[in-house]
Amino acid sequence: QVQLVESGGGVVQPGRSLRLSCAASGFTFSSYGMHWVRQAPGKGLEWVAVIWYDGSNKYYADSVKGRFTISRDNSKNTLYLQMNSLRAEDTAVYYCARDGLLWGQGTLVTVSS
Amino acid sequence: SYELTQPPSVSVSPGQTARITCSGDALPKQYAYWYQQKPGQAPVLVIYKDSERPSGIPERFSGSSSGTTVTLTISGVQAEDEADYYCQSADSSGTYPWVFGGGTKLTVL
Repeated sequence: QVQLVESGGGVVQPGRSLRLSCAASGFTFSSYGMHWVRQAPGKGLEWVAVIWYDGSNKYYADSVKGRFTISRDNSKNTLYLQMNSLRAEDTAVYYCARDGLLWGQGTLVTVSS
Repeated sequence: SYELTQPPSVSVSPGQTARITCSGDALPKQYAYWYQQKPGQAPVLVIYKDSERPSGIPERFSGSSSGTTVTLTISGVQAEDEADYYCQSADSSGTYPWVFGGGTKLTVL
């Protein structure tokens, strides 16, 4: 069925790196731009990054620019978020989203020593 | 950076009409989208392109736009509508394709 499944979350120390994945199925992944959105515990939604359907354009929120990199592998129907120099304030549930209609279930990233 | 402003909370009794506003300078030029989020769940799109309703969303959900403010209206509120609601749009330059409002907690009394 049409779905997005995130993975790769976990507990990581400040300053370290983590890579999230989002596996897409049930639709033509290579035809859609894809987003990462995060939600800190008890807080609102925060857009993180977007990548064009073909990877030609990428945009980032100011809070992650220079530290996070969004990428995709259309041959594997997979979206990625490489997160470097992690900070405590990056602790959140990270969602991948196709358009507003399709979201994953989220993966929790906890940055703590 | 661009901001969308929502009231933190709205409370209504069952059967009444709830209205949640969202303000932003680029809203006259950019579409607005509304999401419902219940605890522990991913957001669900309830309104897109200011006033369109996705398939499967009850007719009691509607959206409107006027100048720099968009409004989500829930007519005949039901207990199951209690949730957080977020507006989402884009800035006028395209630098920030998705911007979320701070969210509004709808309480059904």
